[in-house]
Order: sequence, then C-alpha cells, then structure tokens
Amino acid sequence: QLQLQESGPGLVKPSETLSLRCKVSGDSIYRSSYYWGWVRQPPGKGLEWIANIYYTGSADYNPSLKSRVSVSIDTSENQFSMRLSSVTAADTAVYFCVRERPLYYGSGIDYWGQGSLVTVSS
Amino acid sequence: EIVLTQSPATLSLSPGDRATLSCRASQSLSSYLAWYQQRPGQAPRLLIYHTSTRATGIPARFSGSGSGTDFTLTISSLEPEDFAVYYCQHRSDWVTFGGGTRVDIK
Repeated sequence: QLQLQESGPGLVKPSETLSLRCKVSGDSIYRSSYYWGWVRQPPGKGLEWIANIYYTGSADYNPSLKSRVSVSIDTSENQFSMRLSSVTAADTAVYFCVRERPLYYGSGIDYWGQGSLVTVSS
Repeated sequence: EIVLTQSPATLSLSPGDRATLSCRASQSLSSYLAWYQQRPGQAPRLLIYHTSTRATGIPARFSGSGSGTDFTLTISSLEPEDFAVYYCQHRSDWVTFGGGTRVDIK
C-alpha cells in the first residue's frame, strides 16, 4: 500500500523559506509513471495546487506561486521536497504531498499524505 | 486561466436524498475532470476521475457526468458518511480546484 508522509517545521517566520519533504513508501518514485506533488489548504478554506515533479526532474508550477516555489526529487531516497520562499501569513496552511496520475491514466490525485500544518508567524 | 465554480456552496439534505453538485468551468474543458470528498480533519479522497470513472473502492452511488463547461457529481442516495465537502479539479498545464460544495445534514 502506497504511503506518503510529510515532514518539516510546523512554524516558519515571515520572509523565511518553508521547506517540506515527502517520504514515499510502498512504491518506487523512479520506476513509477506518476507525478509527485504538493497541495495546500489554508485553515477553513479550499484546496490550492502548488506544483508537481516527475522522476526525471521535470516540474510544473502553479503560475501564482511559481516565482517563490521550487520542487526537487531524490530517487535514491524515494522522496521529494518543496521550498517556498518569502513566506507570509497567507502561506499558513496544511500542506499535503500527493501522487498524481498521468493523463493517460485519466489524471486525478489518487494518494495524499496526512498533511502537515505550517504556521507562518514571528 | 481556467476557473472552476462549484454550486451550491452548501447543500442541506437528509440521508437517503439525492445530491447533485455542479462544477462550471470558465472555458471548455478536456475530460480530465475529477471529484474529491473531504471529511473534517482528513485528506481529500479521489472519487471520480476522467469525468465519470469511479476510483478504486468508491461506491456505485457516486457518479460523474458532463462535458464542455458543465460537470456534475451525483450521489444517488446519501449515506451518513457522505456528509462532507466536495471539490472538483481539472488538469491542463497545471491543476485547478473548484471552491468546494459542503453537503450537510438538514
């Protein structure tokens, strides 16, 4: 059974960089045809897609966040990561790492981590 | 930029009722539209992908339909565990989510 587990600090100061990691178990990122990504949800609000990355390192980004976000993948450790720079209180959210199905599988996000609450505050 | 508008924002129904949730797009979409269910304190769960295909383990009371700019998620007979928030989502060059519809108990 595929599992995704986020890890990272729960509190980040304004203007600093938020870094999260997602450890994948139950499948190999390298052998997989799927995309690995990040979705966030501010408290009491809806879902916002951030970015995804393929095992080759090719990435797509939400245009509204692209200037502040970078994603990377480490196939040897079977994990992927996200960095969001210059954070403000508006970046306070639960951050989910996810697996996205490729279009030829019909698309959709079929696996989600449990989520990691990140609060931006001084 | 594609915008997905879900309606109604809240749907108040009773167990056994039929629920019809709408997702309208700002421009015509490909068929890569998905629906998710999110219960309080949980991660979203994929219900439907490719407009009308149920994900693994999803009961047959959930169905998806639509094309162009109008898409629908139907729950034929609400069970107690179906009262939750539902999101539609589309994949083009990036992923866009609708604002969600809350289905609560009347």
